[in-house]
Amino acid sequence: DAGVIQSPRHEVTEMGQEVTLRCKPISGHNSLFWYRQTMMRGLELLIYFNNNVPIDDSGMPEDRFSAKMPNASFSTLKIQPSEPRDSAVYFCASTPGGVNEQYFGPGTRLTVT
Amino acid sequence: QKEVEQNSGPLSVPEGAIASLNCTYSDRGSQSFFWYRQYSGKSPELIMFIYSNGDKEDGRFTAQLNKASQYVSLLIRDSQPSDSATYLCAVMPGGYNKLIFGAGTRLAVHP
Repeated sequence: DAGVIQSPRHEVTEMGQEVTLRCKPISGHNSLFWYRQTMMRGLELLIYFNNNVPIDDSGMPEDRFSAKMPNASFSTLKIQPSEPRDSAVYFCASTPGGVNEQYFGPGTRLTVT
Repeated sequence: QKEVEQNSGPLSVPEGAIASLNCTYSDRGSQSFFWYRQYSGKSPELIMFIYSNGDKEDGRFTAQLNKASQYVSLLIRDSQPSDSATYLCAVMPGGYNKLIFGAGTRLAVHP
């Protein structure tokens, strides 16, 4: 069975551009989490969905960030406009329910110049 | 005060020794505790979780939880160079369906 799929794996963009990161959770999993990881701040939860509904978006840094989950098999994280301080690795994770075992995707390394 | 604290390391141990990784947390209502391993450039992977006070063993790994003292630890017996990675402690605060991660401890096992 395929694990969590994220695309793109690497993204380099210029400041001010829109960035869209994509995630396909493991089939049958009904909870999805978006994380950001940097050396300075570690692994931070941005937002999580349960049954496609956003439950907690308190970790979303500001209005430039938005996330959607239009169906059980797809989620996006959008940054508009992007800034150099958004450079990080963004992970998506899913669980069959709750947080007992979060399966992480390979991550998207974002560089904003 | 950070919610989940770990010594950043590096913790250096010789091959075959026991590696001891520690984590403290601030929310006394926390119920679930997790250890993730992250190799450089890779994503975190769950290696153990523990809910009750005491020890939980899985192969070479033992998780220990002491809720009264608000700490959780991970012991790795017979450490191997392949265990060299960053170990992340994660805590689920009481009443929340999410994890708070520590900054991680880098473990280096040398031959």
